[in-house]
Amino acid sequence: EAQVTQNPRYLITVTGKKLTVTCSQNMNHEYMSWYRQDPGLGLRQIYYSMNVEVTDKGDVPEGYKVSRKEKRNFPLILESPSPNQTSLYFCASSQFSGVPSYEQYFGPGTRLTVT
Amino acid sequence: GQNIDQPTEMTATEGAIVQINCTYQTSGFNGLFWYQQHAGEAPTFLSYNVLDGLEEKGRFSSFLSRSKGYSYLLLKELQMKDSASYLCAVEYGNKLVFGAGTILRVKS
Repeated sequence: EAQVTQNPRYLITVTGKKLTVTCSQNMNHEYMSWYRQDPGLGLRQIYYSMNVEVTDKGDVPEGYKVSRKEKRNFPLILESPSPNQTSLYFCASSQFSGVPSYEQYFGPGTRLTVT
Repeated sequence: GQNIDQPTEMTATEGAIVQINCTYQTSGFNGLFWYQQHAGEAPTFLSYNVLDGLEEKGRFSSFLSRSKGYSYLLLKELQMKDSASYLCAVEYGNKLVFGAGTILRVKS
């Protein structure tokens, strides 16, 4: 089954404790992206990657890191989480060959609470 | 930044037609997506417009005017299961910028 998986689905942590949220897709997609979703603000793009070893900042990259060492995986790293990073996080992937674009497939989401 | 504007909430009756509008800044525009998101779930793809005009897909249609920076999603024969958030997302280069979403409530 074609899918995007994220782990963990729920996480409660404390300020400053490094964490990683994993994302994996089995569709051989080039493009992967991380979003956070907050009430009233919608989905905001954190980082995206157009292929292995190619990553770029989205609109809200501060406090986050990513890596793309393999095509299928795109982990999101919070080196020193803070309470303002409490949010619902989605990973997404799509084919990429320039314009026109393709639909993004979203993972199930990770609800993160930082106390 | 690139502002994407859409109404916060709408209410419509089962069986009716509803139109959800989206306006955006045209500079750097590549294409426009509509996604549906039920509460507690991930967004799912509805449509993609890159050229002016109407794209029809069953009960859902999406319209785009590139020069006006305007799109709408049209939902016909509304069903209770259409109660969800509808997200307008604009592609600027390789980035995707989402609006805050429109919560649609369908009442019987």
